[in-house]
Amino acid sequence: DAMVIQNPRYQVTQFGKPVTLSCSQTLNHNVMYWYQQKSSQAPKLLFHYYDKDFNNEADTPDNFQSRRPNTSFCFLDIRSPGLGDAAMYLCATSRPGLAGVRETQYFGPGTRLLVL
Amino acid sequence: AQSVTQLGSHVSVSEGALVLLRCNYSSSVPPYLFWYVQYPNQGLQLLLKYTSAATLVKGINGFEAEFKKSETSFHLTKPSAHMSDAAEYFCAVSGGSSYKLIFGSGTRLLVRP
Repeated sequence: DAMVIQNPRYQVTQFGKPVTLSCSQTLNHNVMYWYQQKSSQAPKLLFHYYDKDFNNEADTPDNFQSRRPNTSFCFLDIRSPGLGDAAMYLCATSRPGLAGVRETQYFGPGTRLLVL
Repeated sequence: AQSVTQLGSHVSVSEGALVLLRCNYSSSVPPYLFWYVQYPNQGLQLLLKYTSAATLVKGINGFEAEFKKSETSFHLTKPSAHMSDAAEYFCAVSGGSSYKLIFGSGTRLLVRP
């Protein structure tokens, strides 16, 4: 089945130690998104890629970076994780719809990040 | 600007009872509306979406939602709750040239035996 895969499902890192989360997709979608979701909150969009075009949200901290080496893979890099960065990180994909049609975002299972 | 309001952070129903989760939206362009479900420690799964084709939208697991423009609402219903429906439900809106989804704050559905 076509899907969005996130690895690892659980990640433990130390305060200030760089960490990378990965996302891959077999849907061949042009658009890939990274969301941060803290406990009992809605997902918050960090940034997205439309093909190779990177779109950062205005309030995303500089500590968060992303790379998309090809259509299938996208990475989230947290350069110096703080305790406040502990959260679930969700990757999603979509394809640009026909004019006027908004395509669904398909989500991966998420990576839960714990910062010690 | 777009926004979504979900009334009730927690909704509790008995097994077999009607489920009603409320969502109101604000949008300056024709909206596309979505309901997603999230089980503990899982990603979001699409339940259904409204894209202007029909105002009554049927989704998976017996859920449906009705788009009411006059009330700017997109409430989610299911005639008979099942224990497996216990989860967090998010309403979201998108529209215009933006690919962004704007999520509501979520409603946690509890199903009592």
